[in-house]
Amino acid sequence: ILNVEQSPQSLHVQEGDSTNFTCSFPSSNFYALHWYRWETAKSPEALFVMTLNGDEKKKGRISATLNTKEGYSYLYIKGSQPEDSATYLCAPNFGNEKLTFGTGTRLTIIP
Amino acid sequence: GAVVSQHPSWVICKSGTSVKIECRSLDFQATTMFWYRQFPKQSLMLMATSNEGSKATYEQGVEKDKFLINHASLTLSTLTVTSAHPEDSSFYICSARYEKLFFGSGTQLSVL
Repeated sequence: ILNVEQSPQSLHVQEGDSTNFTCSFPSSNFYALHWYRWETAKSPEALFVMTLNGDEKKKGRISATLNTKEGYSYLYIKGSQPEDSATYLCAPNFGNEKLTFGTGTRLTIIP
Repeated sequence: GAVVSQHPSWVICKSGTSVKIECRSLDFQATTMFWYRQFPKQSLMLMATSNEGSKATYEQGVEKDKFLINHASLTLSTLTVTSAHPEDSSFYICSARYEKLFFGSGTQLSVL
């Protein structure tokens, strides 16, 4: 069983503040790392797919970095807004289509 | 973007009955769909890979006779939980690939 860990499990952030959280995963046989945003009662929405060591991706106020050698990725949110409240999931895959999900970081933005 | 529709959103059934969950790709064709299960406070766990026109591939520990998967068309995969028991109560969610993975909104199953 592949161990994918996300920390923290939950996070409360004041509106306007920036925040970040971590995904760690086994570095051997790594192929790609996926980040998803999952709002309550909705479908998980793909944010980023990252493959190369040192990759940085950005979408609006959200960005992510990847370190494949040490097996971790950071997700950053700048200037948090209430609509950023969601669970953020990371999921590496290791050379096939199967994704191994972490338990997620539940982010709550306090107005 | 591509849309995956999953129904029902929630279902309550009696122990021993069977429950069918549908997963449809609305605006694209999906030769492969994936079924996941999530227990409270745990991660999404892949149950099986559904392949159009052929048998599903089940992950280790998932009973294929218990969780019947049918992928009869390029836009529809169904998961049937047969003879459901309280321990099958869980959140089930499907996904399909169209350049990237798109997910349904999930089904909360409660077995009494």
